[in-house]
Amino acid sequence: GENVEQHPSTLSVQEGDSAVIKCTYSDSASNYFPWYKQELGKRPQLIIDIRSNVGEKKDQRIAVTLNKTAKHFSLHITETQPEDSAVYFCAASAAGGYQKVTFGTGTKLQVIP
Amino acid sequence: GAVVSQHPSWVICKSGTSVKIECRSLDFQATTMFWYRQFPKQSLMLMATSNEGSKATYEQGVEKDKFLINHASLTLSTLTVTSAHPEDSSFYICSAHSIRGLGPSGANVLTFGAGSRLTVL
Repeated sequence: GENVEQHPSTLSVQEGDSAVIKCTYSDSASNYFPWYKQELGKRPQLIIDIRSNVGEKKDQRIAVTLNKTAKHFSLHITETQPEDSAVYFCAASAAGGYQKVTFGTGTKLQVIP
Repeated sequence: GAVVSQHPSWVICKSGTSVKIECRSLDFQATTMFWYRQFPKQSLMLMATSNEGSKATYEQGVEKDKFLINHASLTLSTLTVTSAHPEDSSFYICSAHSIRGLGPSGANVLTFGAGSRLTVL
């Protein structure tokens, strides 16, 4: 089955700096890669996703990159704000997301004001 | 947007009792729902895939007789933790793919319930 690894497990940045979270996946059949943000005590919320036919995608301060050959994908947050503090999960799924989603181990991001 | 409702949000029970958690898709039909377990400061571990009208598919290491899943309709899946013990204490969260909602990349979005925190005394 799919195995998703995520690094780092914790990340502290100063407000305004950038944050990068990296993930790798093992199953070459995976073709859909969502990222979720989970605030303390709340449900995970989708923040951005990317399909395998795209190498990069950006949505305001958030961007994701995907390297299919290396099976790497990353989340980039620029101009971080205190409200970005949360746990971020990467995930991978086959069949465009219709199949089960395997999550990474999570990254706790702390943005220091 | 797609909404998944999960109840109860928290439950405390005595060891040996059974607890039922409900997961409902409020504004869409879900032929498949997923049940996850999340320990403190850890990731979401898929327990099983709930299939409407058929048996659930359990992940390796998950006891199907311990965690009973029923998906009797297109909008409701239930997880019953049978003969609960303190080690079953955890945060259980369900999710479903919205048939109507499409994510930014054109794939169905996995929408989560609010989760149920189970404490077994």
